[in-house]
Amino acid sequence: DQQVKQNSPSLSVQEGRISILNCDYTNSMFDYFLWYKKYPAEGPTFLISISSIKDKNEDGRFTVFLNKSAKHLSLHIVPSQPGDSAVYFCAASAGMGQKLVFGQGTRLTINP
Amino acid sequence: NAGVMQNPRHLVRRRGQEARLRCSPMKGHSHVYWYRQLPEEGLKFMVYLQKENIIDESGMPKERFSAEFPKEGPSILRIQQVVRGDSAAYFCASSPSSTEAFFGQGTRLTVV
Repeated sequence: DQQVKQNSPSLSVQEGRISILNCDYTNSMFDYFLWYKKYPAEGPTFLISISSIKDKNEDGRFTVFLNKSAKHLSLHIVPSQPGDSAVYFCAASAGMGQKLVFGQGTRLTINP
Repeated sequence: NAGVMQNPRHLVRRRGQEARLRCSPMKGHSHVYWYRQLPEEGLKFMVYLQKENIIDESGMPKERFSAEFPKEGPSILRIQQVVRGDSAAYFCASSPSSTEAFFGQGTRLTVV
């Protein structure tokens, strides 16, 4: 039962353009959402999060959008840079201190 | 403030041996999570612990796997009688009781 889904295994974007990574979830109890970035042979690094009481959160080049009615969130990176090439995981939890449920990840490649 | 420390980084075990993976959470963090990542897959939740308590072990295989987080010392994930299918990257994350979890570098277990 995949409660958090990232349907695009990979995405290629030209440097300087916008990268949009998508994530869908099925559990209506989820109320906190996070994005992590992962390089090979390293642990995931926290990027940005959003609570269900908001529909947008911005941090520098990274913006996360949440559409609760569609059970969909997205991560926008603009402008995309070569160092952004990594695997991005979205994650969700059903409350403070609850376990994080992860999607399968999307491999983002930024082309020069 | 050191991050989440996992050791060893790489562990090779023969089939039937025991594997012990250690995780020292960030200072002040009392919540520990273990995740497993199989090749080409996302992060799968295994177990969530607080000091001396297992809060959620719904992702742990029923046999051979156990976890603890004692009052003193690191959290330990123990796999008895390892099989080839246990080969994976095992990640530990810690949290100060808020929802963001911070990950260690992981332990890559190879069963030969």
